[in-house]
Amino acid sequence: DGGITQSPKYLFRKEGQNVTLSCEQNLNHDAMYWYRQDPGQGLRLIYYSQIVNDFQKGDIAEGYSVSREKKESFPLTVTSAQKNPTAFYLCASSRGPEAFFGQGTRLTVV
Amino acid sequence: GIQVEQSPPDLILQEGANSTLRCNFSDSVNNLQWFHQNPWGQLINLFYIPSGTKQNGRLSATTVATERYSLLYISSSQTTDSGVYFCAGNYGGSQGNLIFGKGTKLSVKP
Repeated sequence: DGGITQSPKYLFRKEGQNVTLSCEQNLNHDAMYWYRQDPGQGLRLIYYSQIVNDFQKGDIAEGYSVSREKKESFPLTVTSAQKNPTAFYLCASSRGPEAFFGQGTRLTVV
Repeated sequence: GIQVEQSPPDLILQEGANSTLRCNFSDSVNNLQWFHQNPWGQLINLFYIPSGTKQNGRLSATTVATERYSLLYISSSQTTDSGVYFCAGNYGGSQGNLIFGKGTKLSVKP
């Protein structure tokens, strides 16, 4: 089946640790995105990538890093510099202006 | 600034009722999409509707781009329609970098 796969679904992180969230797509989409959702809020853009080996910061990039070494993959690292990382993280991809989303990863700092 | 505003923020319906959700967006927002976020957090694409009207079963959407609004109609609502409905659009020349409203939380009671 074609789609966007995020893993893991749930992730617990200790204070001061870096964690990496996985996002893989087999839709042959060029562009990929990471969004963050806080309770009761809409989604906010963290990073996006239009092509392999290139990416740009979104509205809330501080404390996050990404890589885009393959078209299919766009992992997000939540670093220890991110002051409030507990949130729901959604990955998306698009070939034109219409975006499609994965099932999300819920990250909790313990 | 760039804004996407949704109303109402909360809506409670009896099963079988009809409803209209509204999305107002600022000048630089285009390529509007509607999503349904299910209780597990996944964003389901409902409509890509930069202008005009589309229908899919009990749901339909209309975007009047010249007046900067979009409407989502839900007819004969069912309990499975419950969740949060988001509208989002991208801005400027970007492809897929979406600006989200804060959503309308719909609860359909049996």
